Amino acid sequence: DGGITQSPKYLFRKEGQNVTLSCEQNLNHDAMYWYRQDPGQGLRLIYYSQIVNDFQKGDIAEGYSVSREKKESFPLTVTSAQKNPTAFYLCASRGMKGQGIYNEQFFGPGTRLTVL
Amino acid sequence: GESVGLHLPTLSVQEGDNSIINCAYSNSASDYFIWYKQESGKGPQFIIDIRSNMDKRQGQRVTVLLNKTVKHLSLQIAATQPGDSAVYFCAEVKSGKLIFGQGTTLQVKP
Repeated sequence: DGGITQSPKYLFRKEGQNVTLSCEQNLNHDAMYWYRQDPGQGLRLIYYSQIVNDFQKGDIAEGYSVSREKKESFPLTVTSAQKNPTAFYLCASRGMKGQGIYNEQFFGPGTRLTVL
Repeated sequence: GESVGLHLPTLSVQEGDNSIINCAYSNSASDYFIWYKQESGKGPQFIIDIRSNMDKRQGQRVTVLLNKTVKHLSLQIAATQPGDSAVYFCAEVKSGKLIFGQGTTLQVKP
């Protein structure tokens, strides 16, 4: 999966609990992304970060939070404010110009979150 | 608004035939378009991309065509194999962000 790891693969959460999904990359990529995928749907952007200590909201950021304290790590917290958190979460990274194929986003294997 | 969509949710082809997967987009300001392949339970895998000022780009067994007049993108897979069975997404790149379509499931019949 292109040097990106996500953990855990499956995650179960009780309603009202916050949960943090891990994403680590060893590709030395500057940009990292979090997407949400619902059954039969495409990917929707939650948050992205183009450099350490900086991140921007995507299209569906409500109920989620992120941090980017290290280049290789971009954890996503699903908070209790997210009304429908059950989904498949995908992390991706992308090299900026000069770091390989400019447009190629490498995706991790994903974390399937289920709220009980 | 911005949107990327695919014409058909499912495409079924015979092994060895060519496959054509289509995508329509509405945002004319995109920089690039990308095709991804996603197998069940896995993350998407980059197949090929095309710059917005190009009409055609070829890879190994795949060709992407871009028709900016009708805002249409297609992925052609030659000699489709069982391993090509997956969901295929087109995505447009604008300002570093990817906007994905809903996906077409390609089923390869033996």
